[in-house]
Amino acid sequence: GIQVEQSPPDLILQEGANSTLRCNFSDSVNNLQWFHQNPWGQLINLFYIPSGTKQNGRLSATTVATERYSLLYISSSQTTDSGVYFCAVRMDSSYKLIFGSGTRLLVRP
Amino acid sequence: DGGITQSPKYLFRKEGQNVTLSCEQNLNHDAMYWYRQDPGQGLRLIYYSQIVNDFQKGDIAEGYSVSREKKESFPLTVTSAQKNPTAFYLCASSPRTRSTQETQYFGPGTRLLVL
Repeated sequence: GIQVEQSPPDLILQEGANSTLRCNFSDSVNNLQWFHQNPWGQLINLFYIPSGTKQNGRLSATTVATERYSLLYISSSQTTDSGVYFCAVRMDSSYKLIFGSGTRLLVRP
Repeated sequence: DGGITQSPKYLFRKEGQNVTLSCEQNLNHDAMYWYRQDPGQGLRLIYYSQIVNDFQKGDIAEGYSVSREKKESFPLTVTSAQKNPTAFYLCASSPRTRSTQETQYFGPGTRLLVL
């Protein structure tokens, strides 16, 4: 089946720093989503981005479907950005989302 | 307020006991899902349902059962056959499953612990 790999697995930042999270996937996909899981476990939708670039405030994401990767950019990080960031993909013929193992981010004040 | 609710927030199970986790949504979504998350890992699909009175097994369905008698509700039962049930359980919904453009929305989760 399709493999989803996220890097880095862990990331520690000082407040105000910028970061880039990466998601590689092993097959063609038609659906790619980024989620943020906060320290209480709630999964929050960040982007639906099967291709192209989107921006939402300090966050932006780019997916290059032909090269099978997606990037999530966090600028001017804040302590509330801490948590785990997941990439999830879905193939054209499938009903389910396949999740990566996540990037655990800690932003220090 | 529209959204997905899960209850209870924490659940303790004794050996040999069946327990049921509740998931309700008022988003008028057709599809609903149950995921399991183990510490430090991503989510794995247990069961999903596209419409009322229909559901399908996901990747790790053994030891679990579900029902979908109402569009709004998709309860998950963790049976005694599930040997390692301690995990964080997340319910999700989406308008429908067949479109690849659907976004899934998640509830706040239930933490299940075995005593």
